[in-house]
Amino acid sequence: KAGVTQTPRYLIKTRGQQVTLSCSPISGHRSVSWYQQTPGQGLQFLFEYFSETQRNKGNFPGRFSGRQFSNSRSEMNVSTLELGDSALYLCASSLVGLADRRTDTQYFGPGTRLTVL
Amino acid sequence: GEDVEQSLFLSVREGDSSVINCTYTDSSSTYLYWYKQEPGAGLQLLTYIFSNMDMKQDQRLTVLLNKKDKHLSLRIADTQTGDSAIYFCAEGLRGKLIFGQGTTLQVKP
Repeated sequence: KAGVTQTPRYLIKTRGQQVTLSCSPISGHRSVSWYQQTPGQGLQFLFEYFSETQRNKGNFPGRFSGRQFSNSRSEMNVSTLELGDSALYLCASSLVGLADRRTDTQYFGPGTRLTVL
Repeated sequence: GEDVEQSLFLSVREGDSSVINCTYTDSSSTYLYWYKQEPGAGLQLLTYIFSNMDMKQDQRLTVLLNKKDKHLSLRIADTQTGDSAIYFCAEGLRGKLIFGQGTTLQVKP
């Protein structure tokens, strides 16, 4: 079974530009979550999509958005890039996602390394 | 609040046991997780424990949970150089994972 794939793996942008990152989950998985990893803030949850709907959202500004397609592939978009958006963006897929009284193994992709100059 | 704390660095000799500690603040978490991250790679789930358990063993890995103190630990027996990585503990809360800062494990031959 193929793992979670993320494209592109590396990206360099300048301040003010926008960027779109893509995540293809494991076949059959319907939940896709996005996380931002930086040296200063660590791993922080961005949002989760399930069946094309945003189900959970972290504390990020509206410049960060996402969507999910009918084949469960997901994209996240960051508009008006800032230097502080430089990070590793990780996507995780799981069958149905986490809930307070249920676990579900989240499989992480290798990430997209975004550098904002 | 949502906060998970870990020590940042641990160095052990090959063949010794490693113990990585973690504390969390939200007692409503029902599942707690340990992830491993190797350079240039994403996160790999190592193991998880349900909050009504005290201990879980999985081959060389032992997880201990003290729910009263909100303390979680991961013990790696017979640590190998291939275990060198960053280890994250995380609590599952309201549909997302809250991660600690990660503990860098250095294994010396």
